[in-house]
Amino acid sequence: QVQLVESGGGVVQPGGSLRLSCAASGYTFRSYGMHWVRQAPGKGLEWVTFIHYDGSGRDLADPVKGRFAVSRDDSKNIVDLQMNSLRTDDTAMYYCARDLVGDYTFDIWGRGTMVTVSS
Amino acid sequence: QSALTQPASVSGSPGQSITISCTGASSDVGYYNHVSWYQQHPGKAPKLLIYEVTKRPPGISDRFSGSKSGNTASLTISGLRAEDDADYYCCSYARNRAFVFGTGTKVTVL
Repeated sequence: QVQLVESGGGVVQPGGSLRLSCAASGYTFRSYGMHWVRQAPGKGLEWVTFIHYDGSGRDLADPVKGRFAVSRDDSKNIVDLQMNSLRTDDTAMYYCARDLVGDYTFDIWGRGTMVTVSS
Repeated sequence: QSALTQPASVSGSPGQSITISCTGASSDVGYYNHVSWYQQHPGKAPKLLIYEVTKRPPGISDRFSGSKSGNTASLTISGLRAEDDADYYCCSYARNRAFVFGTGTKVTVL
């Protein structure tokens, strides 16, 4: 079945870096765009970034511009989120989600990986 | 980009209908029909309920329905059930090529 599994979360000091990965299975990965969405503890959902199905375009939320970067490897069916210059307010559960083609929708979600930025 | 505005909480008895509003701006909800709704149970990942304002993905009950008028979208849950007790979020695509979520609504089934 269609599945997304995130990994790479952990505890990092302010100013540090972390790289998250999302492994996809059960569908033709190269045909779909992918998103990252985060949720701070006890808070609501916040969209982070999107990468187009062919990697030709990337969009980033304003709070992470210049610090985060998204990439994909279609040979391995993975999408990565490189997070630099991390701040305490980046602490959140990070979910990857598949983009429902043409409908600007997150149709499949992973279970998430927790990132804690703390000294 | 400001979060879309949702009521913090809505409650209803089993069998009743409730409606959750989601108010945005002319640059997001009012501009596009790219409005979606998600259900999230505690400790779980969000689940898609409605997309493109009114469409339901396969496997989603027809008890869930969506609509939009101007800058406000709405989710209606009819025939409320115990398992509908969860958090609900709306989301809209915006003209600045970003996605904006709602503030979230806690639905309590009494």
